[in-house]
Amino acid sequence: EPEVTQTPSHQVTQMGQEVILRCVPISNHLYFYWYRQILGQKVEFLVSFYNNEISEKSEIFDDQFSVERPDGSNFTLKIRSTKLEDSAMYFCASSGQGFTEAFFGQGTRLTVV
Amino acid sequence: AQTVTQSQPEMSVQEAETVTLSCTYDTSESDYYLFWYKQPPSRQMILVIRQEAYKQQNATENRFSVNFQKAAKSFSLKISDSQLGDAAMYFCAYEFNQGAQKLVFGQGTRLTINP
Repeated sequence: EPEVTQTPSHQVTQMGQEVILRCVPISNHLYFYWYRQILGQKVEFLVSFYNNEISEKSEIFDDQFSVERPDGSNFTLKIRSTKLEDSAMYFCASSGQGFTEAFFGQGTRLTVV
Repeated sequence: AQTVTQSQPEMSVQEAETVTLSCTYDTSESDYYLFWYKQPPSRQMILVIRQEAYKQQNATENRFSVNFQKAAKSFSLKISDSQLGDAAMYFCAYEFNQGAQKLVFGQGTRLTINP
């Protein structure tokens, strides 16, 4: 069964450093997303991506964040100058043509120290 | 803005019994989708069931069913014959059927299954 794959599963970084979280969406999907879940809190939408551009972003997704689909298979989230409050679980998701449900990856746990 | 509210932070049920998790939402739209996601300790988000707002019939997936009350903006999840593997956080989510697909999640309900 096709699945969304995220790497790494856990990343520890020092405050102020840049991190790149990687995702391989399901191959025939066209819509890609990043969500964030701070420990003990609800899952929050960050950004959606379609046709090689951002289609919607939340107020959380400020200039510190960027997304890219560099090679037609990977979908990345870059966080520049990380802060302690960026520590969270980051989920990638993808969905297909028309309305279909989003499939989530297993998440990347980001710890900023 | 759309909001989703889960008023039960925690629920518990005896194995093999039935439990209902509550969810209400607020929207001015008429065409949307509702979901229940399960998040086990591994923290992966797993789709349990979905409901299209234009469908009057309640969705069912094996032991999982929903009670969708559109006028009341209520979307509860019923789990029948609860199993130990059902223990998880359950999130209710809303998605507006237009433009970019983005899910709005509730706060979650932690379900414990007592053997």
